[in-house]
Amino acid sequence: TQLLEQSPQFLSIQEGENLTVYCNSSSVFSSLQWYRQEPGEGPVLLVTVVTGGEVKKLKRLTFQFGDARKDSSLHITAAQPGDTGLYLCAGDGGKLIFGQGTELSVKP
Amino acid sequence: EPEVTQTPSHQVTQMGQEVILRCVPISNHLYFYWYRQILGQKVEFLVSFYNNEISEKSEIFDDQFSVERPDGSNFTLKIRSTKLEDSAMYFCASSTGLAGGPYGELFFGEGSRLTVL
Repeated sequence: TQLLEQSPQFLSIQEGENLTVYCNSSSVFSSLQWYRQEPGEGPVLLVTVVTGGEVKKLKRLTFQFGDARKDSSLHITAAQPGDTGLYLCAGDGGKLIFGQGTELSVKP
Repeated sequence: EPEVTQTPSHQVTQMGQEVILRCVPISNHLYFYWYRQILGQKVEFLVSFYNNEISEKSEIFDDQFSVERPDGSNFTLKIRSTKLEDSAMYFCASSTGLAGGPYGELFFGEGSRLTVL
């Protein structure tokens, strides 16, 4: 069974700080996706990374897929209160296995 | 903007009762999924559905669960005899392509909260 471990599980920071969230596995994934989930809503896709070593940027968010396609990271620059939410990585073609998520709280 | 819709938003039921959760996926999507999220826990895959049949299911999706696409627009999840541990948020999702692939962005509904007493 493929598992995705995210760290940290909880992160509370001040507005303007930078942060990195990690998603790790012992298995190789053909692709990884990052979703963001707000309370009472379903997850919303942020990005899909496919190629080992790939880096994708979405405004202040930078996503990286590890060279071996076993891990990924999400870096947020100058976090804002609007970035608050649950960040989920997901992988495995066909059914998507989710990590347990990183609960981010950005305080003004 | 097209979206996945789910009903009911919240259902309270007695243990042992049957529950049907309904979903209307995005109309041109081909792959359909059910996930669940127990309060405070991770989003767990239940089942995927393609071409009018189950393509994959998890060990959670036992004989108590079934899915159906009865009329080409609705996608339902039935739990035959609910247990206390079935209490969770159930999310329906759909995608154009296979999950995780280039066209595999999953679009999630807002969820149906099931409370089993």
